[in-house]
Parts: sequence; structure tokens; C-alpha cells
Amino acid sequence: AQSVTQPDIHITVSEGASLELRCNYSYGATPYLFWYVQSPGQGLQLLLKYFSGDTLVQGIKGFEAEFKRSQSSFNLRKPSVHWSDAAEYFCAVGFMEYGNKLVFGAGTILRVKS
Amino acid sequence: EPEVTQTPSHQVTQMGQEVILRCVPISNHLYFYWYRQILGQKVEFLVSFYNNEISEKSEIFDDQFSVERPDGSNFTLKIRSTKLEDSAMYFCASSEGGVPQYFGPGTRLLVL
Repeated sequence: AQSVTQPDIHITVSEGASLELRCNYSYGATPYLFWYVQSPGQGLQLLLKYFSGDTLVQGIKGFEAEFKRSQSSFNLRKPSVHWSDAAEYFCAVGFMEYGNKLVFGAGTILRVKS
Repeated sequence: EPEVTQTPSHQVTQMGQEVILRCVPISNHLYFYWYRQILGQKVEFLVSFYNNEISEKSEIFDDQFSVERPDGSNFTLKIRSTKLEDSAMYFCASSEGGVPQYFGPGTRLLVL
């Protein structure tokens, strides 16, 4: 079955420091890849998406992610974290062969210390 | 910017009662979804809906669940006889072409 792994449950970074959140998926077919962010009590906001083409994609709020097919990874990065980035981040993957449903990772909670 | 909206934001119900969760998808979207997130667990796909019928459903989406698009704007999830384990955050999502999916703020359902 398709699965998505976010190996880090919690990450704490200092404000202004760089950030990388890891995401790996289990299936080898061409995936659609997404990162969503969820602030406490809020819904899931789409940060960025990858369908095809350039493997480095830019998103909102200064985030970017890079698709590496050889590693089945889609890591999220930000060069300088702001306190307002503290939230939970979810990687989600869709597989064309399996319809449009998304498979989510368990999420990574980001804490930002000043 | 258009958004998916969901009502109510919170719902408390007694075990065995029926609940209806409501969603208004983004207006020009054609694909509609329900997901749920049990506290502390992953977001899980429940069902997708396109062209007035279910296009895919998960194992979770058993006979207790149903979806409907009663008019041109609403998309509902009904749980016929709620169980304790149905307590979760339920997210509605919509999409123009299948992906990406835009999520609503969720309805937190608590079954007592």
C-alpha cells in the first residue's frame, strides 16, 4: 500500500535559522506531491505542489521543496524561519494510478524559538 | 481568494445519533472529498465524489457513511449512527481537476 513517512515528529529551530522537513513516499510511480500546513485549530493550507517539470518548486510564505525521484523524497525547506511558521506540516502524496485520493504523512510539528 | 467552508465548526453528539456535516466547496470545483483526522493520527481519506456519484471510497467509509450534493453548492457527509470511534476532525476538500485539493477548516466531531 502507498505510504508517506515524515520521520521527524517534532523539530525545534531558532528564529532566523534554516529549516528542512523530510518526507519520503513508498511507491515508485509518478506521484503528485504536496505540503500542507496546519496551525492550531485551523484547516490544512496548501503550501506548494509538484506535478511534473522542474523538481524544485516554490510555494507560499517563502517555502520551497525539492523532488528527488531517486530517493523518493520531497523535502520542504525554508532559508530563514519566522516565529509565525510554528505549526504542523503535512506531506501528502497522490498517485495517478490510485485516483485522486491523497495519502498523508503523520505530520511534523515545528517549534520556533526566539 | 475563494475558500472551502464547513459547518458546524464543532459538533457534540450522543452515540447512536445521526450527524450531518456540511461543506461548501469552491464554486467552480468539480471534485469533492472528505477526509478525517482522529486526534494524534494521520489525516485519512474517506471518500471522493465527482459527477454526482462516489468515485472512490476507503475501507473506513462503510454503510454508516453517506455523501450527498443536495444542491449546486453544498456537499454533505452523513454518519447514520455515530460511534465513539467516529470522534475526529472531518475535513472537506475540493478540486478543479482532482489535484491539488483545497481543504476547509474542518468540523470537530465529538461522540459521547
